[in-house]
Amino acid sequence: TQLLEQSPQFLSIQEGENLTVYCNSSSVFSSLQWYRQEPGEGPVLLVTVVTGGEVKKLKRLTFQFGDARKDSSLHITAAQPGDTGLYLCAGDGNNAGNMLTFGGGTRLMVKP
Amino acid sequence: DAGITQSPRHKVTETGTPVTLRCHQTENHRYMYWYRQDPGHGLRLIHYSYGVKDTDKGEVSDGYSVSRSKTEDFLLTLESATSSQTSVYFCAISEFAGDQPQHFGDGTRLSIL
Repeated sequence: TQLLEQSPQFLSIQEGENLTVYCNSSSVFSSLQWYRQEPGEGPVLLVTVVTGGEVKKLKRLTFQFGDARKDSSLHITAAQPGDTGLYLCAGDGNNAGNMLTFGGGTRLMVKP
Repeated sequence: DAGITQSPRHKVTETGTPVTLRCHQTENHRYMYWYRQDPGHGLRLIHYSYGVKDTDKGEVSDGYSVSRSKTEDFLLTLESATSSQTSVYFCAISEFAGDQPQHFGDGTRLSIL
């Protein structure tokens, strides 16, 4: 199983601030997915990145896949309380069955 | 939202008892998965299914078994529950292979005393 490390584990910021969370591995992934999870609910897919160097934008969220396809970042501009949640990255495990491997998550709290 | 229903949503039981969690989907997706989520570990795959009666082990399968007798239902059984199996369990589905985006249920919070 390929390890995905997310940092920071916890982040508490004020509304309006910018932030970046990271998803790193020593292994190469053919694609990476980002999910957001709110309390009491399951993760919801935000985006999939598949090409090294790819940048995708989803309103105030910017996702980047590293050139070597070993890492990814999520940048949020002008965070809002509605962005609060657990952010998870996941990559193809390159294992038997090619199942997804999830990182440990970044728990974000945006205070009004 | 993808039609995924997990039942029960909450359960408290005692060590040594059998427990079965159910996942029901209305999307007719081929792949179904069971994960557990624990603080600091993200989501870890327990078992998955790639068709009716076709299942395989994931990363943390010890102590768990699964069955899929119909496309829409995927059952997770803890034969003899232990306190280490206290967790939040999520079912997920995907139309295509395991590395494709998955849709998750809302989870079952299981406490084993």
